[in-house]
Amino acid sequence: EVQLVESGGGLVQPGGSLRLSCAASGLTFSKYNMNWVRQAPGKGLEWISYIDSSSSSIYYADSVKGRFTISRDNAKNSLYLQMNSLTAEDTAVYYCANSGNSRLDSWGQGTLVTVSS
Amino acid sequence: DIQMTQSPSSLSASVGDRVTITCRASQSISSYLNWYQQKPGKAPKLLMYLASSLQSGVPSRFSGSRSGTDFILTISSLQSEDFATYYCQQSSSIPWTFGQGTKVEMK
Repeated sequence: EVQLVESGGGLVQPGGSLRLSCAASGLTFSKYNMNWVRQAPGKGLEWISYIDSSSSSIYYADSVKGRFTISRDNAKNSLYLQMNSLTAEDTAVYYCANSGNSRLDSWGQGTLVTVSS
Repeated sequence: DIQMTQSPSSLSASVGDRVTITCRASQSISSYLNWYQQKPGKAPKLLMYLASSLQSGVPSRFSGSRSGTDFILTISSLQSEDFATYYCQQSSSIPWTFGQGTKVEMK
């Protein structure tokens, strides 16, 4: 069974930084493309970033481009999201999800990021 | 960016009802359309992919279809565990985009 477990969320002040992690198990992590998707409180889903299995292709939504950096460590079966220059609009639950064939197959339980002074 | 428009935003239905949710893409996405179910406080779950393929383990009362840039998710006989919010998502081009969601509530 695929398990994706996010961590690193919390309360951060506007302008601050946070690094999220996603630990994967139950799959050959190095073969899967990975994504971050977020959901603001009471709102819909927003895809924000993608990284392919070898870190060769990386994409971002315009809303986070230049502020967020996605990365992975296949040796540690882990995915990361470095988030800088955070604003209140970044407040959301952040999910990691794997995508083998242009679909978000499995999702973690999410980690809540709150940006507030 | 490709816009995905779902309708309705919410609906009320009873157990046993047939339920349909529509998702329209702002441009051609071929069949690169996925459907997810999300229950309160939980992560989304993949239901359908490539418009009409049922994800493993998903009950056969769920089905999907496509007509041009219009996509339909159908629940043939609504069960109590199906009350949730449903999202469509296009994976034809980056940025992947979601519909705004359809909340299926108990009548």
